[in-house]
Amino acid sequence: GAGVSQTPSNKVTEKGKYVELRCDPISGHTALYWYRQSLGQGPEFLIYFQGTGAADDSGLPNDRFFAVRPEGSVSTLKIQRTERGDSAVYLCASSPWDSNEQFFGPGTRLTVL
Amino acid sequence: DQQVKQNSPSLSVQEGRISILNCDYTNSMFDYFLWYKKYPAEGPTFLISISSIKDKNEDGRFTVFLNKSAKHLSLHIVPSQPGDSAVYFCAASDSGTYKYIFGTGTRLKVLA
Repeated sequence: GAGVSQTPSNKVTEKGKYVELRCDPISGHTALYWYRQSLGQGPEFLIYFQGTGAADDSGLPNDRFFAVRPEGSVSTLKIQRTERGDSAVYLCASSPWDSNEQFFGPGTRLTVL
Repeated sequence: DQQVKQNSPSLSVQEGRISILNCDYTNSMFDYFLWYKKYPAEGPTFLISISSIKDKNEDGRFTVFLNKSAKHLSLHIVPSQPGDSAVYFCAASDSGTYKYIFGTGTRLKVLA
């Protein structure tokens, strides 16, 4: 079946602009996660959804970052007033309700000029 | 403060030999550990996991060993194949949470 998909695969923007990154989880997966991977680092947890609600957003670095999952499926990560330090690969993962295993998408590479 | 550490950024191994990738952690609350493999331009893919109630888990060519007293785990790949060349991430979690804490990765190159 289809895996986790993320769009766009690459996004280049200018400092100060607003961006939206989209994640389509595996059908039927109730849990959805966003991670950020900076160069030379491992993925870093940002936020976790169980269904429509954000169960834990403690990894979001500041209030410029926000994520939604209005219907419990697709999720959008929104970044306002982007900064050069936001440049990274943003990874989305999903998992079934009864499993620890997270299935990752290919990521969106965000570059802020 | 890095709670999960992979101190070897890279490793080269001859095809057919054993690859050993190491991972150390500091948080004694971690009780579930995973290894993910990542190819360029792809997301990490799950490889193998181990719960803290075990000290070894094997799946085909891949074996993960856990030493709780040393807070150390390792991934053994035998025999190594060129297709195993990738970046390997160790991750840990407290089973009461869903957050994975990842190490910085080890780039494995298997030489034909």
